[in-house]
Amino acid sequence: QLLQSGGGFVQPGGSLRLSCAASGFSFRNYVFNWVRQAPGKGLEWVAGISAGGARTYYADSVKGQFTISRDNSRNTLYLQMNSLRAEDTAVYYCAQEESSRGYSGSDWVEASWLDPWGQGTLVTVSS
Amino acid sequence: SSELTQGPAVSVALGQTVTITCQGDILRVYYASWYQQKPGQAPVLVIYGKNNRPSGIPDRFSGSSSGDTGSLTITGAQAEDEADYYCYCRDSSGDQPRFFGTGTKITVL
Repeated sequence: QLLQSGGGFVQPGGSLRLSCAASGFSFRNYVFNWVRQAPGKGLEWVAGISAGGARTYYADSVKGQFTISRDNSRNTLYLQMNSLRAEDTAVYYCAQEESSRGYSGSDWVEASWLDPWGQGTLVTVSS
Repeated sequence: SSELTQGPAVSVALGQTVTITCQGDILRVYYASWYQQKPGQAPVLVIYGKNNRPSGIPDRFSGSSSGDTGSLTITGAQAEDEADYYCYCRDSSGDQPRFFGTGTKITVL
């Protein structure tokens, strides 16, 4: 289970930190991601982090603005959002990632998927 | 290309079969996974890998892949299947970007 917190209302230029607390599984063994959805829009991948936390990955739209991190001793994922703009207004979801790779016949194939997801938290950036 | 393109909307009669697609060059190398999202709810994984369903997902949901296109099929659509559906893929090279499709709204008539 993933339980999110930390959303809310913030003025342009402000900062906010989202949290995603995991329970019921070995949090430290999994890659995690943040995904957002602007009002009435589709899903947008935001950031990902490796199981140990050493490697982080970002969408171009948030690179240099958002920071993903994790505390494996607290089973918690974070997203620090700085210099927020109106276009960052969205519901933010955390999601656990799994992946597989191997041969299917003679073809090398890879797959990844997101499951489970947190319940989502709304971030509203407005003056 | 890093884009995953889906048709915007499709309708299906109750009990009939519907297939939606997700197209992108990255799908020549990686399988897409598929997510169902109902209004006000978090997305739910329905298909992953070659054609795998998580526990609790009805077997009327199936997936397939050919070339640069992944497909999700609902055989015998039910009213509760009305939702937005998104494909998703991760590129495991370099910066490991992840991509969502543009989403398809399925309406069950």
